[in-house]
Amino acid sequence: GAVVSQHPSRVICKSGTSVKIECRSLDFQATTMFWYRQFPKQSLMLMATSNEGSKATYEQGVEKDKFLINHASLTLSTLTVTSAHPEDSSFYICSAYDPTGGDYGYTFGSGTRLTVV
Amino acid sequence: GESVGLHLPTLSVQEGDNSIINCAYSNSASDYFIWYKQESGKGPQFIIDIRSNMDKRQGQRVTVLLNKTVKHLSLQIAATQPGDSAVYFCAETTGGGNKLTFGTGTQLKVEL
Repeated sequence: GAVVSQHPSRVICKSGTSVKIECRSLDFQATTMFWYRQFPKQSLMLMATSNEGSKATYEQGVEKDKFLINHASLTLSTLTVTSAHPEDSSFYICSAYDPTGGDYGYTFGSGTRLTVV
Repeated sequence: GESVGLHLPTLSVQEGDNSIINCAYSNSASDYFIWYKQESGKGPQFIIDIRSNMDKRQGQRVTVLLNKTVKHLSLQIAATQPGDSAVYFCAETTGGGNKLTFGTGTQLKVEL
């Protein structure tokens, strides 16, 4: 089945630095990728939708200059958290959509736990 | 889905009992719905899905019911096992690669 690899699984960074998270579709081409953020004991909140070769569409309230998304190929999307602060500490999850996957084409990565100290 | 940002409600069931997890969705234009299971520290895992032209779909030990009139979904788990302990989310979409919106989620705890 479709597999999405997300890396790193866990990262600790200092306040003010930037962190890049990668999301790769391993055995399919993803026309669309999604980035979610999840705080403890809460639901997944969509941050942005990215389509290969075009600018990402951010959800209301998400700072596009802080959360940089690049979808340079059909198998790779990256999320860069710039100038990270402790309040950015969260669980970040990507999802990739496989247009050949029929109704169910959404595959999720295993998530990245970001801790900003 | 329901209002996000709220803390998870909890459902506790005895092992072997049936579990029913409910979800209210918000977008009347949504035509595809998915139930996910999420274990601690992991990404969501697909359980079962249903399209808006159906009102019931069954899988192995799981059944999803859809009531479009009141915009309500439920997930029924038969003979609940300890391995079913997790957080369960419903998600809605208009399909075709459009965004998935997640509901609040329910923490299922299975007691021995």
